Amino acid sequence: SQQGEEDPQALSIQEGENATMNCSYKTSINNLQWYRQNSGRGLVHLILIRSNEREKHSGRLRVTLDTSKKSSSLLITASRAADTASYFCATVIGPTGGFKTIFGAGTRLFVKA
Amino acid sequence: DAGITQSPRHKVTETGTPVTLRCHQTENHRYMYWYRQDPGHGLRLIHYSYGVKDTDKGEVSDGYSVSRSKTEDFLLTLESATSSQTSVYFCAISESRTGSYEQYFGPGTRLTVT
Repeated sequence: SQQGEEDPQALSIQEGENATMNCSYKTSINNLQWYRQNSGRGLVHLILIRSNEREKHSGRLRVTLDTSKKSSSLLITASRAADTASYFCATVIGPTGGFKTIFGAGTRLFVKA
Repeated sequence: DAGITQSPRHKVTETGTPVTLRCHQTENHRYMYWYRQDPGHGLRLIHYSYGVKDTDKGEVSDGYSVSRSKTEDFLLTLESATSSQTSVYFCAISESRTGSYEQYFGPGTRLTVT
């Protein structure tokens, strides 16, 4: 299985609700990042959390990291229809052997207006 | 997609023909990457570059080669295209000076091999 695996694969919620996506990984990481991809577009970097951090906020985004469980979660509060997109976690491992970024398969979020 | 362009954006080609995709950046970032994106697989790294003429393989490099003769350009070549290489290809850049290695992506190239 992959280094980063998102859960759930797909999520459908009403506008105004919170959306939570989870990411699990297998090896020690340098940092973990979350990206968003709108249909037909490239990925856009959302937020980065380092291995020595437990929680970060950016606007309506809240990311947590539990290195003991090798897991992270992305919370989007007060979702909007414009948040409809796929969300990917990316784990960065290194520096031993050089830095490598590994993307998960993503969570598809659909926010209904 | 600031500062990163990919060409062509769409291409249809026949099995067995060579194909070259171009990634151009204006950010002067050191690292450049080529990924392919397929349903159910997320993004998979094909090749990456850590400087001019410095490249290395990713997890799905078979059938692909790359070249980087200038900081701003990173070329991906399919030596002899196969139907399994039908995919959406993304170029990305990152700058090691920040220490964070976040990546910035181009708009993608949709390649169909018939």
